[in-house]
Amino acid sequence: KQEVTQIPAALSVPEGENLVLNCSFTDSAIYNLQWFRQDHGKGLTSLLLIQSSQREQTSGRLNASLDKSSGRSTLYIAASQPGDSATYLCAVARGSTLGRLYFGRGTQLTVWP
Amino acid sequence: ETGVTQTPRHLVMGMTNKKSLKCEQHLGHNAMYWYKQSAKKPLELMFVYNFKEQTENNSVPSRFSPECPNSSHLFLHLHTLQPEDSALYLCASSQDAATDTQYFGPGTRLTVL
Repeated sequence: KQEVTQIPAALSVPEGENLVLNCSFTDSAIYNLQWFRQDHGKGLTSLLLIQSSQREQTSGRLNASLDKSSGRSTLYIAASQPGDSATYLCAVARGSTLGRLYFGRGTQLTVWP
Repeated sequence: ETGVTQTPRHLVMGMTNKKSLKCEQHLGHNAMYWYKQSAKKPLELMFVYNFKEQTENNSVPSRFSPECPNSSHLFLHLHTLQPEDSALYLCASSQDAATDTQYFGPGTRLTVL
């Protein structure tokens, strides 16, 4: 069974810092990996999706990398802002089971002014 | 606006009640999902529907009964629930179930008394 772990569980930083959120998974036979953002008590918003054949994806201040062989992904947030405060979830998809995503518990990020 | 709506947003029910959660997607997608998010566990997939056919049931108790009358609507019928079923129930959709990006609704916060 695929296990997804996210470190740290919580992070509190001042505005302007560059951040790295970590995700690891136990089974490297993944189809893709996604990073989501969840605001408190709300649904998830997809931030970045990396196919298993890719090494990284970028969107604005966000950059996600994937090292499938070592079972790791990182989400890099540049020049953090208070509006970035949310929980960030990592999820991996296995090609053998259609539609199934395995989620980590998330990193709760607080960026203070 | 994610294009996926859920009603009701909050629901309180007794263990003997019967209620239904509704999800609607306006994105023209063919796959829809139910997830459960509780405080003590990572986000868990419950059911997957692809082209109105159920393709995944993640060992969900029979007190949860899904229904997908068409590709745009998904229901979760609830009966004789337990207090441990209290959670945030999230609906998602994707173009198809072949591990495409999933778009989430805002969720229904369910409390079982």
